[in-house]
Parts: sequence; structure tokens; C-alpha cells
Amino acid sequence: GIQVEQSPPDLILQEGANSTLRCNFSDSVNNLQWFHQNPWGQLINLFYIPSGTKQNGRLSATTVATERYSLLYISSSQTTDSGVYFCAGGGYQKVTFGTGTKLQVIP
Amino acid sequence: DVKVTQSSRYLVKRTGEKVFLECVQDMDHENMFWYRQDPGLGLRLIYFSYDVKMKEKGDIPEGYSVSREKKERFSLILESASTNQTSMYLCASSLASDLGTQYFGPGTRLLVL
Repeated sequence: GIQVEQSPPDLILQEGANSTLRCNFSDSVNNLQWFHQNPWGQLINLFYIPSGTKQNGRLSATTVATERYSLLYISSSQTTDSGVYFCAGGGYQKVTFGTGTKLQVIP
Repeated sequence: DVKVTQSSRYLVKRTGEKVFLECVQDMDHENMFWYRQDPGLGLRLIYFSYDVKMKEKGDIPEGYSVSREKKERFSLILESASTNQTSMYLCASSLASDLGTQYFGPGTRLLVL
């Protein structure tokens, strides 16, 4: 099956800083999603982005499907951005999750 | 807003017990999923269902079964709970036509003693 690798595994940021999270996948995907898991465990879908670029407020994502990677950009980070960010890739129904990037934003 | 609910946030069971985890979604989604999440391993798919009474094995189905008798409800069953099934269990759903965007429930933390 498809392998999904995320980097970095851990990240500590000062509030207001920018960051880039990366997701590499081992094969072509029809489905690529980014999620944020808050400290209470709730997973929220951030982007569905099998290709191209999308933006939502301070977050944006870019997927280069031909090179099998996706990037999540967080600008002007806030303490509420803390948690674990997952990417997941695969087919239209079934996806494989990476092991996540744990982000801590400190005041 | 899509709402996915799970029957319990925390559950403590004994080895050998039969355990039922329930998931309900209120948006008429065709697809439903059960994952487990363990530290350092991300989320791993146990089973998914793309229609009532239909199910497919995920990556780690051993020791689990599922039931989908109604479109809105997807149950995960641990026939005989073991300590290595202590984990966080997450349910998700998606529309077949929504190109796969998944919506998650709050999770159930299961401890098997």
C-alpha cells in the first residue's frame, strides 16, 4: 500500500512565527487531505488537496502531485494552532495517514 | 455542520470481554470508517463501509468486526478484548460524491485491563 511520510515530527514555534510542514507519499494519489488534531483529540479536516494550492485564512496548502508531496503553510502562528497535523493520501474512499507533525506554539 | 458522534469518550474493559463501540453520523454519508490511533503510528484503518451491510477490511482488521445495519450507524466490535487493543478509536464518515473529505468523531479512549 501507499506510504506517507511527514516531516518534521516535532516543531516548536514562537507565537507569530511561520512554518512549513511536509508530506511525501510513495505513489500517486487521488485523495490528499490535511487534518489538525487538537489537544483534546478532535480531528478537523483542513484541506482536501490532491493537487494545486488552497488557502484558508492563515493556512494554505500546496500539492505537487507529479513529485508526490504536499506542503502545509502556517503563517503568524497562534497558540490555538498547537496540536498534531496529519496528512492522509490514497484513493477516493480509503486513505493512509502519516504519523503526524506535533506542533507546539508558545506565547 | 456535519456531526459524527461516538457512544463513549472513555471506556474501561477487562480482557476477554466483548466490546461495542458505536458511531453515528447525521449527514447521510455513504462511507464510514473505523481507525485506531497509537502514539508514533498515526491513524490506522481497521474497517470501512461504503454502504449499508457492506464492509471492507482495512490495514489492521484482526481481532475486530463491524456492523452497519443502518446508513447512519457503524459499530466496531471487539469479540474478546485484549490488552493490545488499548488505544484511541476514531470513527469518520464521508460522502461518496465529496471526493473523500472525511469528518471525524471525538474518539473513544479504550483501556483493556
